[in-house]
Amino acid sequence: EAQVTQNPRYLITVTGKKLTVTCSQNMNHEYMSWYRQDPGLGLRQIYYSMNVEVTDKGDVPEGYKVSRKEKRNFPLILESPSPNQTSLYFCASSSLKTQYFGPGTRLLVL
Amino acid sequence: SQQGEEDPQALSIQEGENATMNCSYKTSINNLQWYRQNSGRGLVHLILIRSNEREKHSGRLRVTLDTSKKSSSLLITASRAADTASYFCATAPGLTGANNLFFGTGTRLTVIP
Repeated sequence: EAQVTQNPRYLITVTGKKLTVTCSQNMNHEYMSWYRQDPGLGLRQIYYSMNVEVTDKGDVPEGYKVSRKEKRNFPLILESPSPNQTSLYFCASSSLKTQYFGPGTRLLVL
Repeated sequence: SQQGEEDPQALSIQEGENATMNCSYKTSINNLQWYRQNSGRGLVHLILIRSNEREKHSGRLRVTLDTSKKSSSLLITASRAADTASYFCATAPGLTGANNLFFGTGTRLTVIP
C-alpha cells in the first residue's frame, strides 16, 4: 500500500531536549516536505527536499533541521525544542501533481 | 505570504444540501488543488484544476477557477454526514507543479444528519 508514515504519532517532551520525528514514504517520490499546522494559521511549510541531499527552507524553518540521505526518508529534527513548537506536524511526499500526507505527529513541548 | 484564504471559515448545513467553499489567492498559479482533512488526521487530495481550466468535476465535487479574480470554489453536492471535515485549497505557484504548495487556513464543514 502506498503510504507516508510518521513516528512517533504523539510526543510530549520538555524544553531543550533534542528530538527527531521520522518520515518515510514507499512511493519513490523525489519531493518531500514538512508542515506544521496550528489553529487559525493553516498549514505552513517548514522544509522541503527536491531530492536526496537537496533540502530548502520553507516559510517557517527556524528551530528545525532536516536531512535527506535516502530517497524514502526525511526526518525532522528539533535540536532544542521550545514551547512555541508545540504543534501538529505533517510530512508529505509528492508525485509532481498531488501531495500525499502522513497521519501527523502531535507534539507538546513543556 | 502566498497563502490562500478560504471563505467561510466554518459552514454548517443539513444532510442533502449543497456546500460551497471559496478560496482566494494572491499570486499567479500553475494549478490549484483542494484537500480534505478529517479531524487531526492527514490531508487527502480531492481534486486538481490547472490554471487553463475553468471547471472540473469529480463525483459530487465541482471546482471552478477564475484566474482573473484569483479565486476558486469547491461545491459538494448532496452532502452527507461523512463529508464533515475541514477543506483546504492549495496553490502551486508558477511553473513548480505541485511541489511547493501554499495552503489556505481551511473551511470547517459540518453536515448535520
